[in-house]
Amino acid sequence: SQTIHQWPATLVQPVGSPLSLECTVEGTSNPNLYWYRQAAGRGLQLLFYSVGIGQISSEVPQNLSASRPQDRQFILSSKKLLLSDSGFYLCVGGGGFSYEQYFGPGTRLTVT
Amino acid sequence: AQSVTQLDSQVPVFEEAPVELRCNYSSSVSVYLFWYVQYPNQGLQLLLKYLSGSTLVKGINGFEAEFNKSQTSFHLRKPSVHISDTAEYFCAVSDTGGFKTIFGAGTRLFVKA
Repeated sequence: SQTIHQWPATLVQPVGSPLSLECTVEGTSNPNLYWYRQAAGRGLQLLFYSVGIGQISSEVPQNLSASRPQDRQFILSSKKLLLSDSGFYLCVGGGGFSYEQYFGPGTRLTVT
Repeated sequence: AQSVTQLDSQVPVFEEAPVELRCNYSSSVSVYLFWYVQYPNQGLQLLLKYLSGSTLVKGINGFEAEFNKSQTSFHLRKPSVHISDTAEYFCAVSDTGGFKTIFGAGTRLFVKA
């Protein structure tokens, strides 16, 4: 199984400021990695996924971007945050033969 | 494109009563199906999954789900719920390549004494 580490747990940022959320994976190599945003009553919205270093697929056009500089590192970024970027962001690992997904603890982002 | 619909946003039920949480999906290809649970103030964890074989799948904590291909459904059931089953439950579908998993909006199960 995989262990997903994600930080920070909470973050309050002003509008227009940059963002960098980091996620690292332990316990496997070459995982599929995902960024989801969870909103109450709306489930989990897939934002980005990556099947390898430097490979990023974007699911929803928006103010955010993702990068995968190392096999077990996945970063969610923004150059200028919007109020609408507030939410709960989850880093998720997957891709094993069990097809199970492993969830990080999440980051609660509040843009003020 | 795949999609998942959880038909009930909230399900209140009394302790020891049976419960069914409904999930329908749409996909033009073969899929794998999952139920995840999120207990209050905790992360999501896998409850059960259907990859192949028997259409009746048993998971943790006495839950089971049945894959119905003709109705494109994967409903979750438990014959007798406990207070501790109070949580949010997410149905999810993955293409058989395993690259993307799409989640439903979630069903909040509230078990009352």
